[in-house]
Amino acid sequence: KAGVTQTPRYLIKTRGQQVTLSCSPISGHRSVSWYQQTPGQGLQFLFEYFSETQRNKGNFPGRFSGRQFSNSRSEMNVSTLELGDSALYLCASSSLRARATDTQYFGPGTRLTVL
Amino acid sequence: AQSVTQPDIHITVSEGASLELRCNYSYGATPYLFWYVQSPGQGLQLLLKYFSGDTLVQGIKGFEAEFKRSQSSFNLRKPSVHWSDAAEYFCAVGGLAGNEKLTFGTGTRLTIIP
Repeated sequence: KAGVTQTPRYLIKTRGQQVTLSCSPISGHRSVSWYQQTPGQGLQFLFEYFSETQRNKGNFPGRFSGRQFSNSRSEMNVSTLELGDSALYLCASSSLRARATDTQYFGPGTRLTVL
Repeated sequence: AQSVTQPDIHITVSEGASLELRCNYSYGATPYLFWYVQSPGQGLQLLLKYFSGDTLVQGIKGFEAEFKRSQSSFNLRKPSVHWSDAAEYFCAVGGLAGNEKLTFGTGTRLTIIP
């Protein structure tokens, strides 16, 4: 079974631009979560989608948004990029077949550099 | 609020030596605990997880971890490390059913010397 895939793997943008990152979960997985990883702040939860609905959201400004499609693929968007948005963005999927014992499986990440 | 502390930022061990990485958590209910490993430039790979039952859990690559409720700890161990174990290791605590958010520790970077 293919793992979580994220595209693109690398992105370079300039301040003020916007960016869209894509995540395809493991086949059959319906929950997708996004995390931001930076050297200063570590791994921080952005949001989680299940059945096209955002169920949980971390403490990030409204410039960070996301959505999930009917095939469970997810995108996240960052508008008006700032230098501090440079990070590795990780996507994770889980099946939620057994909610109490589920596991998140991570993709390789998208490395975003803001100049 | 849930939190995870990994007190060791960087650990260096010799190849073949034993390893223990520390993790302490704060959580208001029965925690779901995880250890992930990250190689440079890569995503996170799950090593093992604890949900309930036996407090000693076995994972991949010869790793194990022990859940100690009285100490709020979930330390990762390996009896004999290999050069390929050099990576960053993250402990995480998960939420109740219905909350998929994982809270991660700051990570421990493991260096292996020959």
